[in-house]
Amino acid sequence: AQTVTQSQPEMSVQEAETVTLSCTYDTSESDYYLFWYKQPPSRQMILVIRQEAYKQQNATENRFSVNFQKAAKSFSLKISDSQLGDAAMYFCAYRRNTGNQFYFGTGTSLTVIP
Amino acid sequence: EAGVAQSPRYKIIEKRQSVAFWCNPISGHATLYWYQQILGQGPKLLIQFQNNGVVDDSQLPKDRFSAERLKGVDSTLKIQPAKLEDSAVYLCASSLAGNMNTEAFFGQGTRLTVV
Repeated sequence: AQTVTQSQPEMSVQEAETVTLSCTYDTSESDYYLFWYKQPPSRQMILVIRQEAYKQQNATENRFSVNFQKAAKSFSLKISDSQLGDAAMYFCAYRRNTGNQFYFGTGTSLTVIP
Repeated sequence: EAGVAQSPRYKIIEKRQSVAFWCNPISGHATLYWYQQILGQGPKLLIQFQNNGVVDDSQLPKDRFSAERLKGVDSTLKIQPAKLEDSAVYLCASSLAGNMNTEAFFGQGTRLTVV
């Protein structure tokens, strides 16, 4: 199984500020996809953003953007203008090219302080 | 579009009893996943189906866990007999096959408590 590591169990951010969540992964594959998922207390996993490994351009979705460093196997998520609704667990996920399995990190619990 | 449906939402059983979880994926999604999420951890893949065939069950404790997807649509995950350490949320997800760009869509999960 691939290894996905999230080294920050908990993070907090002031409302309207910016926060960056870290993720690293281990793989010998050259083609794969990376995802960030949000899991609120309702337990429903919701896609936040995705990144294709063969694209050098970092993905952006409104207030969410990533910093993808393929050589370093790093995939961090930046949340700008944080809102109270952003409070949740955030999981980094790796999708294999062969087999299509998704592997998840241990998650980062984000608290947004009003 | 209807999402991934799971039932029940909650289940409490005694150790050594059996339990079954049901999942109905999004229509047209050939790939179905079962994940186990222990409190404070990330989801761990238990089994992956492509239509009604098993793609990966390397992390499924086969002495007590079983899963099937007989007609390539809905799926059942069973635990028999349950142990205390099986207490977790069991998540079902589905995705389009052969398209790496698409994400996995998740159900709301079943929270299992073994006492």
